[in-house]
Amino acid sequence: QKEVEQNSGPLSVPEGAIASLNCTYSDRGSQSFFWYRQYSGKSPELIMSIYSNGDKEDGRFTAQLNKASQYVSLLIRDSQPSDSATYLCAVGASGTYKYIFGTGTRLKVLA
Amino acid sequence: ETGVTQSPTHLIKTRGQQVTLRCSSQSGHNTVSWYQQALGQGPQFIFQYYREEENGRGNFPPRFSGLQFPNYSSELNVNALELDDSALYLCASSSRGTQETQYFGPGTRLLVL
Repeated sequence: QKEVEQNSGPLSVPEGAIASLNCTYSDRGSQSFFWYRQYSGKSPELIMSIYSNGDKEDGRFTAQLNKASQYVSLLIRDSQPSDSATYLCAVGASGTYKYIFGTGTRLKVLA
Repeated sequence: ETGVTQSPTHLIKTRGQQVTLRCSSQSGHNTVSWYQQALGQGPQFIFQYYREEENGRGNFPPRFSGLQFPNYSSELNVNALELDDSALYLCASSSRGTQETQYFGPGTRLLVL
């Protein structure tokens, strides 16, 4: 069973701090990795995609991928109360086009 | 806004009934994937349609079926509804390729009583 694991949280950080969200996956053949943000009662919204080892930055967000350790993370700099949401890690299952999602980490940014 | 639309937004059905959910993909996208998201869980892959054919299926029984139309819109049909089918149903559209990225619609919230 291919799995994606995330700490469910809640992860609480003060406004302006860096939030660090982590995800591990079991499928060694996975080549595509995604972070989605989901506000309560809404659908997932794509934040970042990453395909190669290393860091990828987009504004306040940085995704980090380490395929050898089967680990992907998301850093949110200068966290804002509006960043409070559930963050879903998704991994493209090898040999298919489907995504496998973790259960999500709930982030709370305290004003 | 992703350009992916779903209808209806909410639906209440009783056990044993049948339901059809609809999805219009983003302009330029030719692939539609359907996911079920139970409360407090991540989305679970139901199936994907590409060029009007089912192209991968998750661990869901045959009473979950679908269609894709020539304009790439799609339907999800669920027969013999069970209480556990209560969930948010998400449609994601994408353009088939090596770095395919799925964009979600707003979802349909289904309640089975």
